[in-house]
Parts: sequence; structure tokens; C-alpha cells
Amino acid sequence: GESVGLHLPTLSVQEGDNSIINCAYSNSASDYFIWYKQESGKGPQFIIDIRSNMDKRQGQRVTVLLNKTVKHLSLQIAATQPGDSAVYFCAETGGGTYKYIFGTGTRLKVLA
Amino acid sequence: KAGVTQTPRYLIKTRGQQVTLSCSPISGHRSVSWYQQTPGQGLQFLFEYFSETQRNKGNFPGRFSGRQFSNSRSEMNVSTLELGDSALYLCASSFTGPANEQFFGPGTRLTVL
Repeated sequence: GESVGLHLPTLSVQEGDNSIINCAYSNSASDYFIWYKQESGKGPQFIIDIRSNMDKRQGQRVTVLLNKTVKHLSLQIAATQPGDSAVYFCAETGGGTYKYIFGTGTRLKVLA
Repeated sequence: KAGVTQTPRYLIKTRGQQVTLSCSPISGHRSVSWYQQTPGQGLQFLFEYFSETQRNKGNFPGRFSGRQFSNSRSEMNVSTLELGDSALYLCASSFTGPANEQFFGPGTRLTVL
């Protein structure tokens, strides 16, 4: 498949361990944040979102944390599985801009 | 429920040509956004349409244009292709706009020779 990004930061974790992927967002006016997963040759797949009136949201095996003070997002994946191997992007939007600003992405490699 | 579909999936063009890419959003979605993805620049916003109106446009030259039809389907056009236009072009749809869940299609891989 096609490479999403040639020089992405890479996080390598053992299967079964927890993963934490971090993202610094740029616009203090952003009020909606999303994490996407992109596998080789595919479009980004929605994982979880959070609005600025929350600081934590949980999904199935995933948790997103939002720290507005330092403009930081994190995605926690519990019990990481081989199928979690992909590139993960954070995105922000808000202020009536009608667009997402994407982070540079992090490649997650799950080691057997 | 069918997802976002994009056609064609792959395209090879030569410099100076033009190209039209198509996107069919999820049924009921009225907002369509387009993004360009390259290894060097990542995901960059091109434009967003809602009910046939462009609400925002990214920092791309005028060679990049788009439109949306009354059935919410959207097209984007790139004229006078340059080598640097080689990229994965992604379309995303949502009910009312990016402030709600936005779902991406598989993309169109454009190669300019």
C-alpha cells in the first residue's frame, strides 16, 4: 500500500500493552477534536471525538483526553492489538471555519 | 448504509492536463469536504461545500476548484496539472459540517507524470 507519511514519528508497543498517542493542537478557538486511524491504502477512519466542554471521553478500548490549558490531546488504546497498527491523526475544528486542521500523524507499530 | 464513495480510485495524468474527481457522500449528508494528502505536507484542507455553497477554501491555487450538486454529490477539478499535484485526494462527508462526525472515502490516487 501507499505510505501515508515517510517521516512520521513512530510508536512501537508490544501486543497487549496500552498505547498513548499525543497531539498538540494549534488553535485555541477549536472546540471539536477527532482522532482518525488510517491504514495503508485507505482513507482515514473515525475513532473517537471530544468537544471542548469535556476533558475525557471513552469508547471501546479507546480514551481521548483533552487539556485545553496546554492545547494537548491524547489517544489511549487499551490492550493494543496487531489490527491497531496504522497511522493515527488528530484533527481540530471550530470557530465556524468549516474545516479540519490535521496533525502530522503518528505511526503505531504493534509488536507480536 | 453505504459509505463515502470516490471515483476514480486511481488516475495517471501528464503535466498540463486537467482532471475531475468525483465524490458521493453518505446518504443524508449535505456537507462535503476535500483534502489533499501527501507524504511531505500531510492532510491539507482544500474546500468544503454545504447545500451547493462553498463555505471555506484552503490555501491552494486557483487551479483547484470544486462544486457540489443538488443531490450533495461533489466534484473537484484540477487544471494545468503539475508534478506536485500528485497526491491522494480525500473526500469526507457529514450531516451539517466538520463540527460533527465526518466520514472519509477511500480517496483518489492521482499521479502526474
